[in-house]
Amino acid sequence: EPEVTQTPSHQVTQMGQEVILRCVPISNHLYFYWYRQILGQKVEFLVSFYNNEISEKSEIFDDQFSVERPDGSNFTLKIRSTKLEDSAMYFCASSGGGGRMNTEAFFGQGTRLTVV
Amino acid sequence: SQQGEEDPQALSIQEGENATMNCSYKTSINNLQWYRQNSGRGLVHLILIRSNEREKHSGRLRVTLDTSKKSSSLLITASRAADTASYFCAIGSYNTDKLIFGTGTRLQVFP
Repeated sequence: EPEVTQTPSHQVTQMGQEVILRCVPISNHLYFYWYRQILGQKVEFLVSFYNNEISEKSEIFDDQFSVERPDGSNFTLKIRSTKLEDSAMYFCASSGGGGRMNTEAFFGQGTRLTVV
Repeated sequence: SQQGEEDPQALSIQEGENATMNCSYKTSINNLQWYRQNSGRGLVHLILIRSNEREKHSGRLRVTLDTSKKSSSLLITASRAADTASYFCAIGSYNTDKLIFGTGTRLQVFP
């Protein structure tokens, strides 16, 4: 069964460092997303990406964050200068189409980011 | 806010019993999705129900949607220890790409 894969599963980084979280969405999907879940809290939307550009972003997704689809398969989230409060589980998701969250979104296993 | 609120926050049952979790929301929706999350792990998609649907089944799962009451329920029948997880509803709306996740119900199924 197709699945969304994320690497690494766990990343520890020092405050102020840049991190890149990587995702391979399901191959025929058109919409890609990043969400995060701070420990013990709700899953929060960060950004959606469609047709090689950001479709929507939340207020969390400030200038420190960027996304890219560098090739036909990978989708990345970059945090330029990490802060302690960026520590969270980051989930990549993809959906097939229909736009505006009209279909199921499939999530990866997540990358646990720990900023020290 | 379109926030999904779930109840109960936690539920403990014996294997073989049924588990019912409820989700309420505040605004109009396109669809409502249910996810399972094992401790510290990823989100597994369970079922999507559209705003024009009232009930949907998938295996031991039954989801209902009442748009007049702005609520949905997830029923797991004949529960198993492996069903132990957190269950989240997530709301999809017409004018946004994002899913709004609820607070979740922690289900513990004892063997």
